[in-house]
Amino acid sequence: DVKVTQSSRYLVKRTGEKVFLECVQDMDHENMFWYRQDPGLGLRLIYFSYDVKMKEKGDIPEGYSVSREKKERFSLILESASTNQTSMYLCASSSVNEQFFGPGTRLTVL
Amino acid sequence: GEDVEQSLFLSVREGDSSVINCTYTDSSSTYLYWYKQEPGAGLQLLTYIFSNMDMKQDQRLTVLLNKKDKHLSLRIADTQTGDSAIYFCAESNAGNNRKLIWGLGTSLAVNP
Repeated sequence: DVKVTQSSRYLVKRTGEKVFLECVQDMDHENMFWYRQDPGLGLRLIYFSYDVKMKEKGDIPEGYSVSREKKERFSLILESASTNQTSMYLCASSSVNEQFFGPGTRLTVL
Repeated sequence: GEDVEQSLFLSVREGDSSVINCTYTDSSSTYLYWYKQEPGAGLQLLTYIFSNMDMKQDQRLTVLLNKKDKHLSLRIADTQTGDSAIYFCAESNAGNNRKLIWGLGTSLAVNP
């Protein structure tokens, strides 16, 4: 059974903290994605990666960075968290025809 | 740029059919998708259709594609309370599914 896991379901951080969100997939997929989901705004792509050490900016990369040191792991980094980064963060990996999603991390920045 | 639009809310009675509609602008779409998101969960692929098809049926789900009008619909027969969720339409024009263009999601409420 295919699986995408995210390190935390819920996370509370303070403004200015550095935040790491981890995503691991066990399907040997090359493509991995980070989205944020906000009410009324749907899913917005932050970054994606199509190979180890490769990354491309999505639609809203500002305030975020990513790391892909191993094929199975794709990390999203908030260098200095701000309150407007409070959101649901969804990781996905893809085969040719389908994106598989993790359960999401609900991040609150106080 | 490419855009995908869908209505935000739909309410149906249990046992009725639900039809969720989606329009898209990219004339070179290759795949069109329907994803389901239950409360507090990630997204799950329900079904997808290749752009050279006009219909796909999978148990209670029927997908209709009108490529000329760039219109996609998802019909759920005999809708159950467990079908209450947000349904996302998405399209891709890259065969390797690198990026999807997403609609905002339709929230389906099923009333007993």
